[in-house]
Amino acid sequence: SYVLTQPPSVSVAPGKTASITCGGVNIGSKSVNWYQQKPGQAPVLVIYYDSDRPSGIPERFSGSNSGNTATLTITRVEAGDEADYYCQVWDTSSDHFVFGTGTRVTVL
Amino acid sequence: EVQLVESGGGLIQPGGSLRLSCAVSAFSVSSNYMSWVRQAPGKGLEWVSAIISADRKYYGDSVKGRFTISRDNSKNTLFLQMNRLRAEDTAVYYCARHDSGGPLYGMDVWGQGTTVIVSS
Repeated sequence: SYVLTQPPSVSVAPGKTASITCGGVNIGSKSVNWYQQKPGQAPVLVIYYDSDRPSGIPERFSGSNSGNTATLTITRVEAGDEADYYCQVWDTSSDHFVFGTGTRVTVL
Repeated sequence: EVQLVESGGGLIQPGGSLRLSCAVSAFSVSSNYMSWVRQAPGKGLEWVSAIISADRKYYGDSVKGRFTISRDNSKNTLFLQMNRLRAEDTAVYYCARHDSGGPLYGMDVWGQGTTVIVSS
């Protein structure tokens, strides 16, 4: 089955830029979605179709996808961005939705 | 307001059965792909099952043959029938709506989750 690998943790100072990677075989050929999950809350979609933002998501959140790596970038990081982030794809070969392993973003 | 409200979770013994419900508001449960996603304590998100139509249903490898997804269009409700439950099925179960664009566009609405604990 298709596997998505994320770094367990990323630390970033307020006002700086956080980059969260999501690795998968030829992931550039797939559509990647990203979710933010704060403690005790349901996930929230922050990026869909590689780089589109749902309404209400700040422009500070952006996404890219190429080759074997997709990336979620958060610029001008704020304390409120501290959360777990998950990438996700639809694997057409298995008809499975797949989530990445998740990355905890800590704001220093 | 678009809303998903899960119910039906609880404490169940290994080998038992449970049916989760997800009541849908402000859109039709039959108009979008719908999924169940779970999260074991302290762990990441795991996709469980999705329904596209009455004859197009998909399951994760860990639940295939034990869980059944369905929907009742008249009640605008999504269900997950869980049989032969195991300790490793212990998790918060979320129902989620996929964007109207289809499976490539992400799950844009989530419920608050219902907790299932499988233990003797």
